[in-house]
Amino acid sequence: SQKIEQNSEALNIQEGKTATLTCNYTNYSPAYLQWYRQDPGRGPVFLLLIRENEKEKRKERLKVTFDTTLKQSLFHITASQPADSATYLCALNPSSGGGADGLTFGKGTHLIIQP
Amino acid sequence: GAVVSQHPSRVICKSGTSVKIECRSLDFQATTMFWYRQFPKQSLMLMATSNEGSKATYEQGVEKDKFLINHASLTLSTLTVTSAHPEDSSFYICSAKPSRGTSSPLHFGNGTRLTVT
Repeated sequence: SQKIEQNSEALNIQEGKTATLTCNYTNYSPAYLQWYRQDPGRGPVFLLLIRENEKEKRKERLKVTFDTTLKQSLFHITASQPADSATYLCALNPSSGGGADGLTFGKGTHLIIQP
Repeated sequence: GAVVSQHPSRVICKSGTSVKIECRSLDFQATTMFWYRQFPKQSLMLMATSNEGSKATYEQGVEKDKFLINHASLTLSTLTVTSAHPEDSSFYICSAKPSRGTSSPLHFGNGTRLTVT
């Protein structure tokens, strides 16, 4: 069956360190993968998209990698800050072809940055 | 840009009544909108794809007669939970893409917390 697994339900990181979140998928062949941030009681907010032919993508303190052989994406936040505390979701389009299908999401990792 | 507004943010209703949730794209046109449901500590689950001017496409296991979707214009989709029951209590979130490309990110509303008593 198809699965998207994010490494842990919660992750505690000390301020200033790099937080690394993992997203593994099974029985998908996504052309791209996306990462979102969700704060309590709010809708998700898009952060980064990485395509299957891209190894790495960066945006300010964020970095995403995508390994289609391992079927894994890593999401890094460098110089983490308490304001980075949130739930981070990975998502992919389950359809290998075109179309406007909605994304399938992992459960998310609740990241807590401790001062 | 690409703002999605969802209303109401919270609603409490009695069992057996119907509730309508509105989703508007404020600064772009959305031919397709998506409705998700999220239970506590669970992932967002896609319920249906709302297509402007045509019938919605429902995911497996989602009752189309219970969750009525109307996408009457390029900026408005509504989800009506009919004959609500306590098990329908959840966080409902809509989203839309400002462009047709399949890799375009989704822009989400801030969700509606539905509590059925």
